Amino acid sequence: DAGITQSPRHKVTETGTPVTLRCHQTENHRYMYWYRQDPGHGLRLIHYSYGVKDTDKGEVSDGYSVSRSKTEDFLLTLESATSSQTSVYFCAISESMGIEAFFGQGTRLTVV
Amino acid sequence: SQQGEEDPQALSIQEGENATMNCSYKTSINNLQWYRQNSGRGLVHLILIRSNEREKHSGRLRVTLDTSKKSSSLLITASRAADTASYFCATDFQGAQKLVFGQGTRLTINP
Repeated sequence: DAGITQSPRHKVTETGTPVTLRCHQTENHRYMYWYRQDPGHGLRLIHYSYGVKDTDKGEVSDGYSVSRSKTEDFLLTLESATSSQTSVYFCAISESMGIEAFFGQGTRLTVV
Repeated sequence: SQQGEEDPQALSIQEGENATMNCSYKTSINNLQWYRQNSGRGLVHLILIRSNEREKHSGRLRVTLDTSKKSSSLLITASRAADTASYFCATDFQGAQKLVFGQGTRLTINP
């Protein structure tokens, strides 16, 4: 299995609080992605990174920010969590475009 | 809006039958991939087809790609109970460095 770890695996937080999810890889892959998965919507891309300090927005980036200060870590931050951000969040990595991506086990976030 | 859209959203068949899922996309792609997700787990890569390929096989999987119709299909032959999962197509399209997924097809194989 590809070395990709998401933390935490589960989190419950209150509306208005900041939350940071971490994706850590040991594969030295260039590309890292954050997705959210909700019933009826499949996987939607939040942000992605194509190198250290190189990030860009996906389809549903409002309310989220990311940082990638080193190859192995990609952080997703909810500046002020809302109930609409209750979801399962997946991180994925790939060595380059045009080859398979490897997924983490997901983080289940509940905003109450 | 999402790049890939799967059809049908849900499919239920008997064990041993073949299952076909379709994916349509909107803009020119470089590659199209199919992934499987077992309940509550991360996605697992199944197969990748490049824009200059028309068909690809891997075990019981057959993928076709029609770039003129901007569509792909995934065929699983001789289905098994263990094939029960959600299946997603994903595309990386020209001029972008991102991988975009569709809504998925939920496949149920009945014993």
